[in-house]
Amino acid sequence: DILMTQSPDSLAVSLGERATINCKSSQNIFYSSNNKNYLAWYQQKPGQPPKLLIYWASTRQSGVPDRFSGSGSGTDFTLTISSLQAEDVAVYFCQQYWRTPTFGPGTKVEIK
Amino acid sequence: QVQLVQSGAEVKKPGASVKVSCKVYGSSLTQFSMNWVRQVPGKGLEWMGSFDPEDRETTYAQKFKGRVILTEDTPADTAYMELSSLTSEDTAVYYCTTDGFGSGSYFPGWFDRWGQGTLVTVSS
Repeated sequence: DILMTQSPDSLAVSLGERATINCKSSQNIFYSSNNKNYLAWYQQKPGQPPKLLIYWASTRQSGVPDRFSGSGSGTDFTLTISSLQAEDVAVYFCQQYWRTPTFGPGTKVEIK
Repeated sequence: QVQLVQSGAEVKKPGASVKVSCKVYGSSLTQFSMNWVRQVPGKGLEWMGSFDPEDRETTYAQKFKGRVILTEDTPADTAYMELSSLTSEDTAVYYCTTDGFGSGSYFPGWFDRWGQGTLVTVSS
């Protein structure tokens, strides 16, 4: 299985500031034939199921605020929250779907 | 609006089986490839398997092969996940979730709709 790692484990960011979460896959998940990276990002708040934020590494799901953006290619990816809002406090997971789906361990985002 | 509504929490003894249901509202179950993902409390997410409505084929994660069975009652728009030979390590929240690829793909893509989760507690 493809191993997904994330860094940091947690971060505290002031309201209105940028939050950056990193995700790394143990194998290349970029497919040159369609020029796509097989990576998604999710947000999970306590007591709730995960919510899809981004797929194909950078395509925002319908209804997701544009302060959330995804970037990266190959094995290294980043989720950026450009201006942290109080409602963004959550755990964020990355997931690869190149092969059998696997998830990163999560990054907890808090308010500083 | 499509909603996935799961059955309630379960408490099981080690060695028993559990069957969790997931009913689709607002659409037909046949429109989706239904997947199951579990989450041990405070831990990460783990994909268990998927059911493709086009050919009614199942794909299971290697870890769960032989212990999990995914089925569907199409007229009732309800999917089921049955896990057997339970141990304390199976204590987790189990989610049904739909494949962003739709159906027909061997490996699922992203997961765009989620049920509310079903807590399964395994304890003697």
